[in-house]
Amino acid sequence: GAVVSQHPSWVICKSGTSVKIECRSLDFQATTMFWYRQFPKQSLMLMATSNEGSKATYEQGVEKDKFLINHASLTLSTLTVTSAHPEDSSFYICSARSLAGMEDTQYFGPGTRLTVL
Amino acid sequence: EDQVTQSPEALRLQEGESSSLNCSYTVSGLRGLFWYRQDPGKGPEFLFTLYSAGEEKEKERLKATLTKKESFLHITAPKPEDSATYLCAVQAASTGNQFYFGTGTSLTVIP
Repeated sequence: GAVVSQHPSWVICKSGTSVKIECRSLDFQATTMFWYRQFPKQSLMLMATSNEGSKATYEQGVEKDKFLINHASLTLSTLTVTSAHPEDSSFYICSARSLAGMEDTQYFGPGTRLTVL
Repeated sequence: EDQVTQSPEALRLQEGESSSLNCSYTVSGLRGLFWYRQDPGKGPEFLFTLYSAGEEKEKERLKATLTKKESFLHITAPKPEDSATYLCAVQAASTGNQFYFGTGTSLTVIP
């Protein structure tokens, strides 16, 4: 149980284009989903927290107009990187949390490697 | 200020050589301390949640313990497949739903 998937697992795009990353909780309903960014050999940096049906809460320094987050259902959240630039290249990881009869923690997806040329 | 510090930054062990990883924290109102394992290029894999001082949890060669100031992840007779980065995170009354992550300990187990 507690499986979280991400799609795509990797993507290469040209500078100026937009990229959408999907995060799905496959066998549970996620009341809250989180999006993280991770640079090589560094820890996870929280970008935003989203609750189903409401606007995401962004961390300080994260541009909400650049990183669009939609949490349309209890099993799906999407992160869209708009007008991507090379400095947006990174490893993006989502996590999902549910308090309904499960270990109270965040369950992570496998991550998406974004490379912007 | 809430903080989570992990040590050592990197650890190399011979296969079978037991050791411990440390996670020190200073937060107000600890709600939970979490250990994860992360392999290169993958998302973190959940290992344990600890809620209160004195609590211990075990899974195969791993044992996590918690005090009021720190947590230890003990690895007994490690194998090469235990090589990974181990992350700890805390959730506190001041952080709501969010987790504060440490920077991790990179463990290498040499055959």
